[in-house]
Amino acid sequence: QKEVEQDPGPLSVPEGAIVSLNCTYSNSAFQYFMWYRQYSRKGPELLMYTYSSGNKEDGRFTAQVDKSSKYISLFIRDSQPSDSATYLCAMSSGGSNYKLTFGKGTLLTVNP
Amino acid sequence: EAQVTQNPRYLITVTGKKLTVTCSQNMNHEYMSWYRQDPGLGLRQIYYSMNVEVTDKGDVPEGYKVSRKEKRNFPLILESPSPNQTSLYFCASRGTAAGYTFGSGTRLTVV
Repeated sequence: QKEVEQDPGPLSVPEGAIVSLNCTYSNSAFQYFMWYRQYSRKGPELLMYTYSSGNKEDGRFTAQVDKSSKYISLFIRDSQPSDSATYLCAMSSGGSNYKLTFGKGTLLTVNP
Repeated sequence: EAQVTQNPRYLITVTGKKLTVTCSQNMNHEYMSWYRQDPGLGLRQIYYSMNVEVTDKGDVPEGYKVSRKEKRNFPLILESPSPNQTSLYFCASRGTAAGYTFGSGTRLTVV
């Protein structure tokens, strides 16, 4: 079983739709959970960061972490064509390396 | 502007010809790391550095070297590149928060 599983999509939605992206993981030591957005030919940029379980909201974006189910989600409300990108979940147990373990990414297209 | 700068952005080289990909950050971060991104495999850590003169292997270090002589710079060295090192490479740095700041990437092709 891979440490982090993420449906690669692709996912295509109309503008204004609510988008739900998710990842599951197997490593109970993960404590830090992140979502990155990666546009074509660009590096990943941090979108949301959550420590342990709970919800976090930032504008149109909401991140949820359920450690009991080993499941994390990213919701995008009122999606825009500019949200079209690959979304990567990433996790870390902290520790001396701070290594991030990434999902493979979900390609999202928001159609005008 | 806070950023991680990688050079070159694109590189085509031949098998066995030594190359260096440079990485520099202007955020005074102690922690830096190199990742490679491959289709179907995602992002995998190559090497990381906790501080000047402190480096260690990540998940896929074979065929790579790094050095950290200054806080801001963390070059990735391929002593004898092979075609299986054709990939998209990202340098990243981390401050006190958990998230990384990534560079724009270096697309390397080894023929």
